[in-house]
Parts: sequence; C-alpha cells; structure tokens
Amino acid sequence: SAVISQKPSRDICQRGTSLTIQCQVDSQVTMMFWYRQQPGQSLTLIATANQGSEATYESGFVIDKFPISRPNLTFSTLTVSNMSPEDSSIYLCSVWRGRTGEQYFGPGTRLTVT
Amino acid sequence: AQTVTQSQPEMSVQEAETVTLSCTYDTSENNYYLFWYKQPPSRQMILVIRQEAYKQQNATENRFSVNFQKAAKSFSLKISDSQLGDTAMYFCAFKAPQGGSEKLVFGKGTKLTVNP
Repeated sequence: SAVISQKPSRDICQRGTSLTIQCQVDSQVTMMFWYRQQPGQSLTLIATANQGSEATYESGFVIDKFPISRPNLTFSTLTVSNMSPEDSSIYLCSVWRGRTGEQYFGPGTRLTVT
Repeated sequence: AQTVTQSQPEMSVQEAETVTLSCTYDTSENNYYLFWYKQPPSRQMILVIRQEAYKQQNATENRFSVNFQKAAKSFSLKISDSQLGDTAMYFCAFKAPQGGSEKLVFGKGTKLTVNP
C-alpha cells in the first residue's frame, strides 16, 4: 500500500481567495493525480501530475483555476484559485503504483467556500 | 471512452448475510484493471479489491470477492458475512494503462448499509 497525507484536512474559505492543498507520499511515485468529489457525487479527475513535466488537465479543468506543482517524486500541490461556492468539494490526491497495478488515495481535503 | 455503470444507488443487508454489488463497464481495450473502492463516512477511499483483465481467476480478499465476466463486461462485488463496518459508499472503477489514458474512471457508487 501507500501512505498518503494531505494538508489541510479541511478549510473554510471566502469567495475570491485561493487555497493550496499539499499531498505527500511515503515513497517515490511516477504518477500522481488530483480528483474532486462534489457533495454526494462520485470522483472526477482534475489532472495528472508527473514530475518534471506540465500537468495534464481533464476537460472542464484549466491550469489558471487549478495550478498544480510536482517538484519531486513524493510531493505535489493543487491550488484552487479565485474560489466560488461551486468549488466546495472534497479534493483527493491519488497515486498509481504501476508495478502492482494499484491506485491509492489520500484522506482528502474538505473545502467549503462561503 | 470508457464508462462504468453501477445500477444500484442504494442497498441494505442484514449483519452476517451476503450482499452483491453490481458493476458493468464499457471499453474497447483488452488489457485493463478493475477496482472496488470503499468510502466510509470518514471519506478515506480504501482499495477493497482489484482484478486484472487478463486473469481469468476471480480475485478474493478475505470476505470480499468478485465475479469478473470479461465477455459480459461485468464486475460484481460479493461481501460475505457482512459487518457493521462495511457500511459505506462503494465505487467500481476502471483503468486501462495501455490505452493512452492513465485515468481511473469511476461509477456513481452504491451506498451500502449493513443493519444490525
């Protein structure tokens, strides 16, 4: 398995501000992913973050709104910019262990925008 | 594009009984992975079981087992001897690494309640 931590675990933010979420993994991984889970919904992939290259964003998500950093093989950040109440969701970091064919998730960050 | 369908939004089962959650998927890929994840109210996504498409043998993890029917594109989860701690959202997910997309595609989930 993989041990994944996220900071903060939850936050309440005002409209128009930005929040950066950190994801730390206990071992090196090539591929890290950021997902959003809106209240009562399933998970939607925001972007894939590979070390040393630009993140790849899914349809409906743009870099200006969700900038991602991946400075090394154990760490990534996701920033939610210029927040609106529609951004209120759980944001989850995830890693893929291709060798074992397993994908693991962090505990999530619960964001509420007022 | 791959899709995953979970046709049971909610299910309930009595403690100690067996329950089966359904999942179907659509893909043109031949090599892929299938997963079941559990998300308790605490929101931590927990990997329950995985199946590699090239393996004919159904995966088993303790009380959890799958019925993988590749031709029918079906991947159901059976929970035996249900426990109160099994109460959670269960998500079926699909991943085809060789297809050029590394993303995990999720179904909408099944809310399982285990009753005492």
